Amino acid sequence: QKEVEQNSGPLSVPEGAIASLNCTYSDRGSQSFFWYRQYSGKSPELIMFIYSNGDKEDGRFTAQLNKASQYVSLLIRDSQPSDSATYLCAAGRSVNYGGSQGNLIFGKGTKLSVKP
Amino acid sequence: GAVVSQHPSRVICKSGTSVKIECRSLDFQATTMFWYRQFPKQSLMLMATSNEGSKATYEQGVEKDKFLINHASLTLSTLTVTSAHPEDSSFYICSAASGRPYNEQFFGPGTRLTVL
Repeated sequence: QKEVEQNSGPLSVPEGAIASLNCTYSDRGSQSFFWYRQYSGKSPELIMFIYSNGDKEDGRFTAQLNKASQYVSLLIRDSQPSDSATYLCAAGRSVNYGGSQGNLIFGKGTKLSVKP
Repeated sequence: GAVVSQHPSRVICKSGTSVKIECRSLDFQATTMFWYRQFPKQSLMLMATSNEGSKATYEQGVEKDKFLINHASLTLSTLTVTSAHPEDSSFYICSAASGRPYNEQFFGPGTRLTVL
């Protein structure tokens, strides 16, 4: 069964620190990986996605992917109280592989709390 | 990013009635739309995958006769909860896949359903 695992947290970091969120996936056929942020009572919002091994940076966010270890992470630099949310990791197969309909497998999310 | 709308945002209905929720991709054509349900403090649960012009694919345990999905066009999918009961009260969220190579999913704002 395809799974995406995340530590449920809560992960608590002080304001200004680096928050590190981790995720592992079981499906070796996964090609693309997504990080979503979900505030309480709201729907998920796409932060960034990554599909190549290594790091991908976007502002304060850096996604890291290691396909050999089946490991994805999200670093949030200079964490702000407004970053407090649940972060969902998702893995999927691209449309170019295996005829996938684009289903993503979501982890259960890690709750991040940034303390002022 | 791509915009997905959902209507209504909130609905309260009596037990036994049917409720229709619309999901629209506003600035792109969605090859696939997804319907999720999320109970309080729980993770996203995929209910069904919907492709334009074809029957939806339901996840195991989701009653297709209770949750009717219609995907009439590349920009509109509807979910009808038939004969709703209090246990159907939940946060229903749709997402639309862009169809680009890595098939990011963009979520609508969600519909909070309360069945009295």
